[in-house]
Amino acid sequence: GEDVEQSLFLSVREGDSSVINCTYTDSSSTYLYWYKQEPGAGLQLLTYIFSNMDMKQDQRLTVLLNKKDKHLSLRIADTQTGDSAIYFCAPGGFKTIFGAGTRLFVKA
Amino acid sequence: DTGVSQNPRHKITKRGQNVTFRCDPISEHNRLYWYRQTLGQGPEFLTYFQNEAQLEKSRLLSDRFSAERPKGSFSTLEIQRTEQGDSAMYLCASSLMGGAGNTEAFFGQGTRLTVV
Repeated sequence: GEDVEQSLFLSVREGDSSVINCTYTDSSSTYLYWYKQEPGAGLQLLTYIFSNMDMKQDQRLTVLLNKKDKHLSLRIADTQTGDSAIYFCAPGGFKTIFGAGTRLFVKA
Repeated sequence: DTGVSQNPRHKITKRGQNVTFRCDPISEHNRLYWYRQTLGQGPEFLTYFQNEAQLEKSRLLSDRFSAERPKGSFSTLEIQRTEQGDSAMYLCASSLMGGAGNTEAFFGQGTRLTVV
């Protein structure tokens, strides 16, 4: 079945860049998404990339897609303490499958 | 209202009781999804509807779980004879399935169920 894998934890200093990586098995998705979840809250759509693109930039966020390797990454520039959250990679499809998420800790 | 709404936000119930959650999707969205999220895990797909039709159910959805979307708008998720293992956050999402195949899903805040 479909599988999504992410590193569980990432710790960065405020102002540095964060890179969150994801690998997936189902390559049929038209879109691939990144969601953010803060404690006790639902999921917030951060950004997405169309499957025929290699890169998408959206303000501080850069998404890179390597379809051949089934690898998706999210770079957050100038990481702020407010970016501390869990980030989920989600290859879309008729049902979105999530990994366990990457917990980003931003140290002041 | 521009978002997905879930009620109640929190529910505490005794083991063996039945509970029902409600989800109101974004009004023009034809797809509605239910997910379950336990502590430290990502959301797990339970089931989804396209309009009023329930098109897929995960094997996670035991016989004690039933979901409905009778008029293709709001949906309910009922859990019968709750067990402590049912304690989790239940998330609802909706999306608009268009010709381009965009399935961007918008999530509600979730209903946190605690079975004691």
